[in-house]
Amino acid sequence: DAGVIQSPRHEVTEMGQEVTLRCKPISGHNSLFWYRQTMMRGLELLIYFNNNVPIDDSGMPEDRFSAKMPNASFSTLKIQPSEPRDSAVYFCASSKGGTNEKLFFGSGTQLSVL
Amino acid sequence: AQRVTQPEKLLSVFKGAPVELKCNYSYSGSPELFWYVQYSRQRLQLLLRHISRESIKGFTADLNKGETSFHLKKPFAQEEDSAMYYCALKGGGYQKVTFGTGTKLQVIP
Repeated sequence: DAGVIQSPRHEVTEMGQEVTLRCKPISGHNSLFWYRQTMMRGLELLIYFNNNVPIDDSGMPEDRFSAKMPNASFSTLKIQPSEPRDSAVYFCASSKGGTNEKLFFGSGTQLSVL
Repeated sequence: AQRVTQPEKLLSVFKGAPVELKCNYSYSGSPELFWYVQYSRQRLQLLLRHISRESIKGFTADLNKGETSFHLKKPFAQEEDSAMYYCALKGGGYQKVTFGTGTKLQVIP
């Protein structure tokens, strides 16, 4: 099992461009989470899905951010238009979703917006 | 609402000294608490969970509902313990997982 797979590993873009981050959860996991990691704020929950349905997107900072999960094996996080303050590491994690089940994290996407 | 607070951004200790990483939480129901660790160049991974009452790599954590705390402790720090540590709370009908801001542990040789 390759675990949670995120792509790309690194993304450098210019302000105003659209950015799409991708995530493939572990097969059989029914919960998927998107987090943003920064020095100041640590790990912030942006949005999470249960059985492909968005449950809580209150952590999404602005309308520029959107996330989809069209099927159980794929999710995207899109930023349009991107801004320099969006620069961070974005993590995807998946879980079986039951009591005391742990999260499995991807390697993250290091986003730099110039 | 659920909230996790880790008051220290950085904790430096000498090798062999005791370690305590603080975590406090706010949650109206029965929480599930976890500690995750991120070693340099590695993925975030589970260290331990309160329900298991386990000791992993010499670390333990006790859930104190009265003080709403879940502090991580180790009696003798080792250099390989240097890493970023996150406390996490899982709760709600759909098992929302909220993390604290993290504490960087630096063990000085």
